[in-house]
This record gives sequence, structure tokens and C-alpha cells, in this order.
Amino acid sequence: AQSVSQHNHHVILSEAASLELGCNYSYGGTVNLFWYVQYPGQHLQLLLKYFSGDPLVKGIKGFEAEFIKSKFSFNLRKPSVQWSDTAEYFCAVYSGGYQKVTFGTGTKLQVIP
Amino acid sequence: EAQVTQNPRYLITVTGKKLTVTCSQNMNHEYMSWYRQDPGLGLRQIYYSMNVEVTDKGDVPEGYKVSRKEKRNFPLILESPSPNQTSLYFCASSASGTSYNEQFFGPGTRLTVL
Repeated sequence: AQSVSQHNHHVILSEAASLELGCNYSYGGTVNLFWYVQYPGQHLQLLLKYFSGDPLVKGIKGFEAEFIKSKFSFNLRKPSVQWSDTAEYFCAVYSGGYQKVTFGTGTKLQVIP
Repeated sequence: EAQVTQNPRYLITVTGKKLTVTCSQNMNHEYMSWYRQDPGLGLRQIYYSMNVEVTDKGDVPEGYKVSRKEKRNFPLILESPSPNQTSLYFCASSASGTSYNEQFFGPGTRLTVL
């Protein structure tokens, strides 16, 4: 079975600090990778996605993620966080073999002004 | 406006009293899914549907039922709710389940079972 690990459960940063959230998955075949964001009291929204091609993908609000196939990783980054980035972030993996999507357990990011 | 709607948004009920949470999408999506979100466990898939009359179990289907009689609707049924089903539930849809597209999520239903 495929699995997704997000090792950082709760991250606290000051505004302007750089962010990197880890995501590792277990499936060895072709995968599609996603990061979703859930702002307080809201539903999940797509932040960015990787299907193929350039392994460095850019999403909304200055976020980017790098797919490293050899490390089974898809880490999320942002050079300078803002207070408005306070949210919970979920990594998700879709594998054609299973025809299903698996979400990680989420990382809560708190940005202090 | 393209959206996924869920009703009710909040529900408090008692053990054993059957309930249904409705989910509807207006994007003509084939794939629909139900998740529950619990602290520290992330989102776990309950059931999904690849199309009308095609449903399958996700990772945590026990205690739940679903049906997909129409493309736009995918209700979640709890025949006999128990306190361990207290959770935040999300419905989601995507264009197709055979090649993955991003999922669009509903606003969530917070269920408390006493």
C-alpha cells in the first residue's frame, strides 16, 4: 500500500523566515504529487501539483516544491513566509496503480508577526 | 460558480440515530470521495465513487454507507452513528478518477455523536 509521511507536525516561524516542509511517499511507480492548504476554518485548496516534466513546480502565493524521485520526496518551500500563511498543509500522492489518493497527516504552520 | 456543497455544516446527534450528510457538485465531475479529518491523522478516505452506480471502499469505510444514483450527488450515510465517528467530514470531487486531477473540496461537516 502507498503511504505518505509528513515528519513536521507543527512548525512555528517568524515572518520573513524561510519555510521547508517535508513530504515522503512510499510508492515506487508513477505518481502525481500535490500540496493542499487549509486555512483556519476553511476547506482544502490546491497549492501546487506535479504531474511530469520540470521537477521544480511553482504554485500560488510564492510556494514551490521540488520532486526528487530518488528520494521519494516532494518538499514544499517558500523563501519568506507571511502571517497569512498560517494554515495546515497536506501533501497528497496519487498513484495510477492504486487509482487512489493518499494524504499525509498534515503540518500545522504558525507564523508569528 | 463551480463548487462542492455539503449539508449540514454542523450536526450534533446521539448514538444510534441514523443520519445522512449530503454532497453535491455542479462541475459534472465523475469522481467523488468522502474523507474524515481527525487531529494527528490527516485526511482518511472513507468511500469513493468513480462514476454513477460505481462506489468502492477507501481506507476507513466501517460504519458508513454511500450511494451514487446521480452524477452530481454523493450522500454519506451513517446507519447507527457512534462517538468514534465524531469528526470533520469533507466531500471532494474531481473530473476523473482514472487519471488523477486535483480534487475540489466542500466546506466540511463537523459531526458530533454523543
